[in-house]
Formats: sequence, structure tokens, C-alpha cells
Amino acid sequence: GENVEQHPSTLSVQEGDSAVIKCTYSDSASNYFPWYKQELGKRPQLIIDIRSNVGEKKDQRIAVTLNKTAKHFSLHITETQPEDSAVYFCAASNSLRNAGGTSYGKLTFGQGTILTVHP
Amino acid sequence: DGGITQSPKYLFRKEGQNVTLSCEQNLNHDAMYWYRQDPGQGLRLIYYSQIVNDFQKGDIAEGYSVSREKKESFPLTVTSAQKNPTAFYLCASSTTGGFNQPQHFGDGTRLSIL
Repeated sequence: GENVEQHPSTLSVQEGDSAVIKCTYSDSASNYFPWYKQELGKRPQLIIDIRSNVGEKKDQRIAVTLNKTAKHFSLHITETQPEDSAVYFCAASNSLRNAGGTSYGKLTFGQGTILTVHP
Repeated sequence: DGGITQSPKYLFRKEGQNVTLSCEQNLNHDAMYWYRQDPGQGLRLIYYSQIVNDFQKGDIAEGYSVSREKKESFPLTVTSAQKNPTAFYLCASSTTGGFNQPQHFGDGTRLSIL
């Protein structure tokens, strides 16, 4: 099955600096890659996602890049702010078939990165 | 997302007891999921359902059971067979069960052993 590795496990930056979190995946059939932000004790929130027909996607201070050949994708946060402090999870999704033969999408998550932005 | 409601927020289980976690969504989503989150780990899939009256095991289904009698509801029962149930449980839903559909999460239920 799919395996997603995420690095680093913790990341500490100064306010205004950039932060980069990297993920690698094992299944070349994966073609949907969301990123989630989770504040302490709260729900994961989708912040950006990318599909395999796109190499890069940007939304204000957040960008994601995808290299399908190397099977890795990265989250870039520019001009970091203290409110960016949270745990960030990457995930990869591919199409599988269940016992009944129906196809479904399964998200496999990385282990998470604790980002701390110091004022 | 405000459309996915999990209850209770905190739950305590005694030895040998089954407990049920509630998940309701008003997003008209077909697919619903249950994940378990342990400290320092990513989310692991327990069960998923793509349509009413159908559900499938995920990666760590042992000791858990679910039902999907209504589109809006996907309750999870943690049975006494689950020997290490202490975790944060998250319910999610997506428009369909397709591979490129974003999943949106509820606020979670934190389960502890008494």
C-alpha cells in the first residue's frame, strides 16, 4: 500500500521567515495531494491541495509543489506569522478497489510536522 | 467545517464497555470516514462508507464497528475488543468516495479509559 513520509517532524522559524515541509510517497498511482493544518485539539483543516496534472499551486502565502517523477511534494509558507503555528499533515490519495470491487479513494497521511513561528 | 458534528467532545470508557461516537453531517456528502489519531502519528483509517447501507474496513478496523443507515449519520462503536482505545477520533466526509475528493473533518472526540 501507499506510504507517506513527512519531514521534518518539528520546525521552528522566526516570524517573517519561510517554512518548507516535504513529503515523499511510494505509490506512483497516487494523484491527489492535500495538506491539512491542525491546531491543538481541533479538527484538521484543508489548506491547499494539488492534483497530479499540476506541478505547482499557490494561494496567497501558501504554495505546494509536486514532482511526480521523484514522488515528492512540498508545502511552502512565506512570511510566516505566529498564527501559522500548528501541526501540518500531508496526504496522498490513489484509487483502490474494496472487497466488493468498487473503486474508492484512500488518503494516506504523513506523520505530521509541528510548526512553531516565534514572534 | 460547521457541517460535520461529532459528539461527545470527551468520552470515558470503563473496562469491558462498548461506547459509541456520533458523527452527523448536513453537507449532503455521500462518503464518510472514521480516523484514529495518536500523538506523534498521522491519521489512520478505521472504516469508511461510500453510500448508505454500505461500509468497508480501513487499516485498523479491529475492535471497532460502524453502521450507515442514513446518509447524514455514521456512528462508530468502540468495542471492548479494542484494547487500546485511548485516542482522538475524527470523522470526515467528502462529496463522493472518489480518489481526488477533499475530505472535511469534524471537531473530534477524545476517548480515554477510566
